[in-house]
Amino acid sequence: AQSVSQHNHHVILSEAASLELGCNYSYGGTVNLFWYVQYPGQHLQLLLKYFSGDPLVKGIKGFEAEFIKSKFSFNLRKPSVQWSDTAEYFCAVNPLNYGGSQGNLIFGKGTKLSVKP
Amino acid sequence: NAGVTQTPKFQVLKTGQSMTLQCAQDMNHEYMSWYRQDPGMGLRLIHYSVGAGITDQGEVPNGYNVSRSTTEDFPLRLLSAAPSQTSVYFCASSYTSGVAYNEQFFGPGTRLTVL
Repeated sequence: AQSVSQHNHHVILSEAASLELGCNYSYGGTVNLFWYVQYPGQHLQLLLKYFSGDPLVKGIKGFEAEFIKSKFSFNLRKPSVQWSDTAEYFCAVNPLNYGGSQGNLIFGKGTKLSVKP
Repeated sequence: NAGVTQTPKFQVLKTGQSMTLQCAQDMNHEYMSWYRQDPGMGLRLIHYSVGAGITDQGEVPNGYNVSRSTTEDFPLRLLSAAPSQTSVYFCASSYTSGVAYNEQFFGPGTRLTVL
């Protein structure tokens, strides 16, 4: 079965620190890649997505992610975090041309980010 | 467009009770799915549908039923609720499945507690 790994369960940073959250997936074929954010008590919001083209994608709120195909990775970055970035972040992969359920997203277990003011 | 809507927002059930979580989308999306979110587990796929009349099981289907009689609606039924089904449930939809440039849209979720 395909899987998505998020390396950090909980990350604690001070405001203005830089952020990098790791995401690796196990599928060797073509993929759509996503990062979602979930603020406390709220539903999932799409931060950014990668379908094809430039492997460095920019999303909302100053976030970006880099797709490195050779490493099966899609790491999320932000140069300077704010207290308002405190949330849980989920990496998700949609493997294409894989079995009958090609639309299905496979989620990582999430990384909780706590930003200290 | 309202997007993906879910009702109810919160629900408390007793063990053994049955109920239906509602999900609707007004974007004419072919693909719809149900996930459950548990602490430390991420989101796991329960059931999905690639079109009206077509459903299939995801990763954690036991204890749940679905049907898709219309494009717009994809209800999730708990047949006999168990405490292990305490979770937050998310419905999602997308235009189609298995192609590039395909993004899923999520509903606001239903928080279910089974006592």
